[in-house]
Amino acid sequence: GNSVTQMEGPVTLSEEAFLTINCTYTATGYPSLFWYVQYPGEGLQLLLKATKADDKGSNKGFEATYRKETTSFHLEKGSVQVSDSAVYFCALNPSSSASKIIFGSGTRLSIRP
Amino acid sequence: ETGVTQTPRHLVMGMTNKKSLKCEQHLGHNAMYWYKQSAKKPLELMFVYNFKEQTENNSVPSRFSPECPNSSHLFLHLHTLQPEDSALYLCASSHQAEPSYNEQFFGPGTRLTVL
Repeated sequence: GNSVTQMEGPVTLSEEAFLTINCTYTATGYPSLFWYVQYPGEGLQLLLKATKADDKGSNKGFEATYRKETTSFHLEKGSVQVSDSAVYFCALNPSSSASKIIFGSGTRLSIRP
Repeated sequence: ETGVTQTPRHLVMGMTNKKSLKCEQHLGHNAMYWYKQSAKKPLELMFVYNFKEQTENNSVPSRFSPECPNSSHLFLHLHTLQPEDSALYLCASSHQAEPSYNEQFFGPGTRLTVL
């Protein structure tokens, strides 16, 4: 079956620290992979995506590379800011049906000034 | 208005009440979704509509009744809910339910509390 596993939070970092949030997936076929972010009091927003192996998605200083060999899509940022505090969701979209986006359980990130 | 809007943003209701949640998308999309987000649980897909036709119902109890009168509007009618139904209800839309890489755009959600 299809599933997403991401590291449990909360993750607390100091401003300007390096961030990694791990995400691994299980899927049949060739899924598309996403990172969504949910700021306090808001809905989910697409942060970045990758649709095939070795693709790198990037946005707002965040990056994630689609690694088929390790079935991973880890989220990284070189220098986090207080405004990056949010909940981050890794997700996959199996190639068979766009309606069945599978979300991870979310990782809460808190950045200290 | 742009994007996906949801009203009301907060709702408190008793178990015998009937209420409705509204979602509207201004993106020209033709697929719309209802999700339930509960604390410490993964996001749960409830319903999917594609071109106004319901294409997915993930074993949702009948006390939740969706309605999609057109591609821009989606409702979730609620009646005789239980306290465990308290959650954030998120609406999303996408250009179409196929092909698979289309991203979904989310509204801000309705925070529902059932007393």
